[in-house]
Amino acid sequence: NAGVMQNPRHLVRRRGQEARLRCSPMKGHSHVYWYRQLPEEGLKFMVYLQKENIIDESGMPKERFSAEFPKEGPSILRIQQVVRGDSAAYFCASSPSPQRNQPQHFGDGTRLSIL
Amino acid sequence: AQSVSQHNHHVILSEAASLELGCNYSYGGTVNLFWYVQYPGQHLQLLLKYFSGDPLVKGIKGFEAEFIKSKFSFNLRKPSVQWSDTAEYFCAVITNTGGFKTIFGAGTRLFVKA
Repeated sequence: NAGVMQNPRHLVRRRGQEARLRCSPMKGHSHVYWYRQLPEEGLKFMVYLQKENIIDESGMPKERFSAEFPKEGPSILRIQQVVRGDSAAYFCASSPSPQRNQPQHFGDGTRLSIL
Repeated sequence: AQSVSQHNHHVILSEAASLELGCNYSYGGTVNLFWYVQYPGQHLQLLLKYFSGDPLVKGIKGFEAEFIKSKFSFNLRKPSVQWSDTAEYFCAVITNTGGFKTIFGAGTRLFVKA
């Protein structure tokens, strides 16, 4: 049990559809990070959120991508009008606080495939 | 820009061979360093971490890593690998100016032949 829960594990969408990826952080963690892993590449930071706030979205594509972490419920990464290049594994991580010495705990990821 | 470089993308070893995976980072300030392992189809798991103190860090499953500040390196080692070590290994860094986001290397895929 990874602690950080992501769903779905696998998501298939056709070009132009919307993809919604969910992440529930570990209990007691209020900081969530989203990463994207493209084939043959490492994880690339996308966005860092706290409850109801986006702290750092420097890794998010300017268009079609958005993220939220509402007061209640999971964090959502939303991709509108998906394209083939969005196919990747999307990982969520959480930590109890934004400290340098706090390793982040990762979920199992959502593997997004675009037809 | 801060970055992490892993020298080998693919490594193939026989069981009982020794392992060393290279990792270099580019950042002149204080860093915290990590190695993660990702077994096929699974999430990332923390192998070991360095914050301060003894630069030789022991992790789980017999892994260790050495922080050499002058070389900006944090190489991962294991004296004798097992077939079950087949996985992808990621070096990562958190800096004090990176907004606490983790910066990952591209990963090294290790395949251990039985």
